[in-house]
Amino acid sequence: DADVTQTPRNRITKTGKRIMLECSQTKGHDRMYWYRQDPGLGLRLIYYSFDVKDINKGEISDGYSVSRQAQAKFSLSLESAIPNQTALYFCATSDLTGSANEQFFGPGTRLTVL
Amino acid sequence: QKEVEQDPGPLSVPEGAIVSLNCTYSNSAFQYFMWYRQYSRKGPELLMYTYSSGNKEDGRFTAQVDKSSKYISLFIRDSQPSDSATYLCAMKHGGSQGNLIFGKGTKLSVKP
Repeated sequence: DADVTQTPRNRITKTGKRIMLECSQTKGHDRMYWYRQDPGLGLRLIYYSFDVKDINKGEISDGYSVSRQAQAKFSLSLESAIPNQTALYFCATSDLTGSANEQFFGPGTRLTVL
Repeated sequence: QKEVEQDPGPLSVPEGAIVSLNCTYSNSAFQYFMWYRQYSRKGPELLMYTYSSGNKEDGRFTAQVDKSSKYISLFIRDSQPSDSATYLCAMKHGGSQGNLIFGKGTKLSVKP
């Protein structure tokens, strides 16, 4: 079984709809991250969490919110989706004890906002 | 100037060639340097990481860091069609709290 799973894998929605992307991990890592990836722009950090009580904004948090429901679960919400949020979204995890902060990525969610 | 610069390519080479992928950076505080491989429609996977300067070898892959030039490289020997992917560099400073800063990735195609 995959260590980091994301649901759904693909989603098409309409402008103004509320969307939730979910991430679960079995790696036992404390840190979790949400990124979006766009052609030509690379990976951009949206939010990150170092433990259940710790949530931090990343480079591009506007229009997004997150919830860390448990050590193993981190969800990303788009309260009112807009077309420029069409992108590939990745969840990642890393171990609190590692100084290198090597991150392990999920398979991604392809989101299209019409 | 971006903190991490990476040529997006695409780079196309024949099977068996030696491939050199590179990133430059501006933050002299970076201590950890990583390379990720991302196949089409997949999540990035960690290939290798190095701490500070020097080389690290893993099979056909060699990672090299030159901190004096703020330049890192990934060499792939005897490249295979299965190496066709986008390669992303990532780096962070030495503190435990820092996040990774990613390059935009170089798309590599190895032709049979």
